[in-house]
Amino acid sequence: EDQVTQSPEALRLQEGESSSLNCSYTVSGLRGLFWYRQDPGKGPEFLFTLYSAGEEKEKERLKATLTKKESFLHITAPKPEDSATYLCAVRKAAGNKLTFGGGTRVLVKP
Amino acid sequence: DAGITQSPRHKVTETGTPVTLRCHQTENHRYMYWYRQDPGHGLRLIHYSYGVKDTDKGEVSDGYSVSRSKTEDFLLTLESATSSQTSVYFCATVGRDDSGYTFGSGTRLTVV
Repeated sequence: EDQVTQSPEALRLQEGESSSLNCSYTVSGLRGLFWYRQDPGKGPEFLFTLYSAGEEKEKERLKATLTKKESFLHITAPKPEDSATYLCAVRKAAGNKLTFGGGTRVLVKP
Repeated sequence: DAGITQSPRHKVTETGTPVTLRCHQTENHRYMYWYRQDPGHGLRLIHYSYGVKDTDKGEVSDGYSVSRSKTEDFLLTLESATSSQTSVYFCATVGRDDSGYTFGSGTRLTVV
């Protein structure tokens, strides 16, 4: 059974305090690991797709990396506007469905 | 979100009544999905569609049915709503360029 586990569940940061979020997964035949940002009352917003171990992608203060068993979302020098819930999801080789982790709630205090 | 509209945005209904949620897309995407989001459970797939009249079950499909008679519309029906179906429901689509699944703004459903 596909499993996606995110840690920590919640993260409180001071503005400028860099940190990393973890997404560990077990899936037979990974065909993409996805990162999303979700603001309260809104739908998830796409950030990145990673396909193979060693791949990295960046967007502003966010950088996502992938290994064979986990992915990290690094937040460098975060700002209060980076406060959100970050979700990761995996898609297996067969089919076109996403399995999501429980998310990490990030609060960045000024 | 641009291209995906969910309706209604909020609904309160009574236990035992039927409820239909609508997802409308303007991108002509083949795949459409219904997820529910609950504290402690994250996003869970209810049903999905891979074309007109082609649908399949997700991991939490009991008590739900779907229909897709047109490419642009994907309907989720709760035949007889229960309090356990109180949740936020999201629709999503995915394009061919694999730029990521696009989600609607969600429908907050409360069953009293």
